[in-house]
Amino acid sequence: DAGVIQSPRHEVTEMGQEVTLRCKPISGHDYLFWYRQTMMRGLELLIYFNNNVPIDDSGMPEDRFSAKMPNASFSTLKIQPSEPRDSAVYFCASRPSEGQTQYFGPGTRLLVL
Amino acid sequence: GQSLEQPSEVTAVEGAIVQINCTYQTSGFYGLSWYQQHDGGAPTFLSYNALDGLEETGRFSSFLSRSDSYGYLLLQELQMKDSASYFCAVRGTDKLIFGTGTRLQVFP
Repeated sequence: DAGVIQSPRHEVTEMGQEVTLRCKPISGHDYLFWYRQTMMRGLELLIYFNNNVPIDDSGMPEDRFSAKMPNASFSTLKIQPSEPRDSAVYFCASRPSEGQTQYFGPGTRLLVL
Repeated sequence: GQSLEQPSEVTAVEGAIVQINCTYQTSGFYGLSWYQQHDGGAPTFLSYNALDGLEETGRFSSFLSRSDSYGYLLLQELQMKDSASYFCAVRGTDKLIFGTGTRLQVFP
């Protein structure tokens, strides 16, 4: 398996623009997690899905952030409008129903100017 | 709420042994995981403890004491490639809450 796939790997945008991050989990994994990592706040869980259904979005910073999982092989995290404080590395991770290991994608490095 | 504490930085020399401690406070606890992250990379799974005791995987071991809300990661025979950040993470039902990470620097 190719592992968790994220795109784009790098994104530079201007404040106010819409940003869409994409994730393809490992096939057969029922759980998908979106994280944000910054030096100040560490690795924060934003939202997670089980069988394509959002279970816990308590970590989503504000209404500017939204996430969807239209099918088992694809999820998006959207920021609209983006702000400089959104600059971070965004990771997607997946895991099977049975098991403890979360498999992380390579991350998307977002810079909002 | 949930909180985890671990040292911000640890240094050691090649061949040495280092222990990274993690204390946690949580309203629901299913187990303690450890992840490794190299600079510019993604976190990768190292170990998981659901029960008290020591789990060994090669040069790495992880320990958990549920009564003390405490765990540690033990790295033996340190190598330069072990220089990375190490995160403990508490599993509560389906999700993980990560600590702030310990940066390990291994010197020759």
